[in-house]
Amino acid sequence: QKEVEQDPGPLSVPEGAIVSLNCTYSNSAFQYFMWYRQYSRKGPELLMYTYSSGNKEDGRFTAQVDKSSKYISLFIRDSQPSDSATYLCAFHQGGNNRLAFGKGNQVVVIP
Amino acid sequence: GAVVSQHPSWVICKSGTSVKIECRSLDFQATTMFWYRQFPKQSLMLMATSNEGSKATYEQGVEKDKFLINHASLTLSTLTVTSAHPEDSSFYICSARAGSEAFFGQGTRLTVV
Repeated sequence: QKEVEQDPGPLSVPEGAIVSLNCTYSNSAFQYFMWYRQYSRKGPELLMYTYSSGNKEDGRFTAQVDKSSKYISLFIRDSQPSDSATYLCAFHQGGNNRLAFGKGNQVVVIP
Repeated sequence: GAVVSQHPSWVICKSGTSVKIECRSLDFQATTMFWYRQFPKQSLMLMATSNEGSKATYEQGVEKDKFLINHASLTLSTLTVTSAHPEDSSFYICSARAGSEAFFGQGTRLTVV
């Protein structure tokens, strides 16, 4: 079983739609859960960071963590063309342990 | 969030030459920085963990003599690609931790001709 699973299939949505992305993980030691947005030819940008189960909201973005099911989600409300990017989920155990990444989801928001 | 600055953002070099990439944490100190390589449409591949004042830890399959890492201060780590070849052409990204959050540099696109 892979440590992190993220379906990399491209996702196209019309402007204004809700984007729903998710990742599953197998390592129970993961304590920190992150979502990154990466535009083409740029470094990843930290979007959401959380360490507990439940929802965390920041503007149009909501991160959801379910530790019991080892499942995290990212929701983008009222999607905009500027949200078109690749979204990566990431996990780590704390300290200076390495990040474990999903493969990334390419999202295209169509005007 | 914290800022990690990486330079240059892109570089073209001739085969056989060396290229140095800098990664700086601008508003925090980072005892550990990470260097990644990313191929088109793929996720980030960890190359090495850079520790301030000590030797870097390289991932399996990464040549330490080819990819020299120096972490001379709490705010600066450098990656030098030595004797570059076209197959070294890639997107290189550094990362540093601020607490438990990880921030990335802008990335460096290296093209070896």
